[in-house]
Amino acid sequence: QVHLVESGGGVVQPGRSLRLSCAASAFTFSSYAMYWVRQAPGEGLAWVAAISYDGSNDYYADSVKGRFTISRDNSKNTLYLQMNSLRAEDTAVYYCARGIYTSGSYSSDYWGQGTLVTVSS
Amino acid sequence: DIQMTQSPSSLSASVGDRVSITCRTSQNIGSYLNWYQQKPGKAPKLLISAASNLQSGVPSRFSGSGSGTDFTLTISSLQPDDFATYYCQRSHITLSYTFGQGTKVEIK
Repeated sequence: QVHLVESGGGVVQPGRSLRLSCAASAFTFSSYAMYWVRQAPGEGLAWVAAISYDGSNDYYADSVKGRFTISRDNSKNTLYLQMNSLRAEDTAVYYCARGIYTSGSYSSDYWGQGTLVTVSS
Repeated sequence: DIQMTQSPSSLSASVGDRVSITCRTSQNIGSYLNWYQQKPGKAPKLLISAASNLQSGVPSRFSGSGSGTDFTLTISSLQPDDFATYYCQRSHITLSYTFGQGTKVEIK
């Protein structure tokens, strides 16, 4: 059974950094694009970042570009999100998700349980 | 940028009702549209990919239709387990996603 487990969330002051991890199991991690999606309290889903299967390409939402970095270690089956210069508006539950390509469209068929990041002084 | 508009933002319905949720895009996106269900405190669940492909294990009362700029998620006979928030999502060539605003389906 595919399993994604996020960790690393917590309370952090504005301007500080945090690194999230997502441990993957029960599938060939190195064959899939991976995603970070967040959800602020009471709000909808918002895409944060994506990385290709081999880590050669990464993409970011405008709201995090230049502050967040997505990366992966295929030898450890782990996805990361380095978050720098955190702002109050980055407060959210952060989900990692697997990307699948179906009929020309990417979607996410497996998601972690999420990890809460709270940016507050 | 292609804009996505999901409607309604919420609806009240009874068990057994037929329910439809619409997602409209500002430009033609072909069939590159997916649908998710999310329950409170839980991760989203992929229901339908590429506009109309029902994911394995998803009940057949869920269906997706549309192409171009107008897409619909239909629940043919609403069940108690279906009360949740539903999101449409498009993907881009660059792997990035755009989500709709969400539709909360509540019990009437």
